[in-house]
Amino acid sequence: DAGVIQSPRHEVTEMGQEVTLRCKPISGHDYLFWYRQTMMRGLELLIYFNNNVPIDDSGMPEDRFSAKMPNASFSTLKIQPSEPRDSAVYFCASSSTGGHNTSNYGYTFGSGTRLTVV
Amino acid sequence: SQQGEEDPQALSIQEGENATMNCSYKTSINNLQWYRQNSGRGLVHLILIRSNEREKHSGRLRVTLDTSKKSSSLLITASRAADTASYFCATLRGTYKYIFGTGTRLKVLA
Repeated sequence: DAGVIQSPRHEVTEMGQEVTLRCKPISGHDYLFWYRQTMMRGLELLIYFNNNVPIDDSGMPEDRFSAKMPNASFSTLKIQPSEPRDSAVYFCASSSTGGHNTSNYGYTFGSGTRLTVV
Repeated sequence: SQQGEEDPQALSIQEGENATMNCSYKTSINNLQWYRQNSGRGLVHLILIRSNEREKHSGRLRVTLDTSKKSSSLLITASRAADTASYFCATLRGTYKYIFGTGTRLKVLA
């Protein structure tokens, strides 16, 4: 398996533009997570899905952020309109159990998308 | 909000020495995990310890958990330059959600 695949690796966009980040989880994993990492705030959980259904989006910072998972092999995180404070590295992770206590396996992270909004 | 706080924030040691990082958390947990992040890369899962376990080993890694003190430690023995990375603890909130700490930046000097 190629692991969790994110695209693009780098994105530079102008303030006000729409940005779409993409993620392909590991086949067979039924949980998908979107995290954002900044120096100031560390790793923040934005939203997670179970079997393509959003379970907890309490970490989504504003209505400008939206996430979808139309099928088990694809998810998007969209920012519209983008602002300079959205600049961060966005990670997607997947898991086969959601980290339940009976599992010995954690999340598998993608390599991230470095977003710069100028 | 951050659940775990790693200590120290940064650590610099010589190759061959042991490195110890600590993680403190505030609320009850189901389990705790440690991850490594190399510069510019995603996080890699290292080890999971359940709330009813006190110690766990994986290769050169040793993790302890003290639920009474709400703390965990990660020990890397005989460190190598390749161990240079940031290390994060993650605590399970509820059933499915992990909250990550602020990380310890480890630098191993050759």
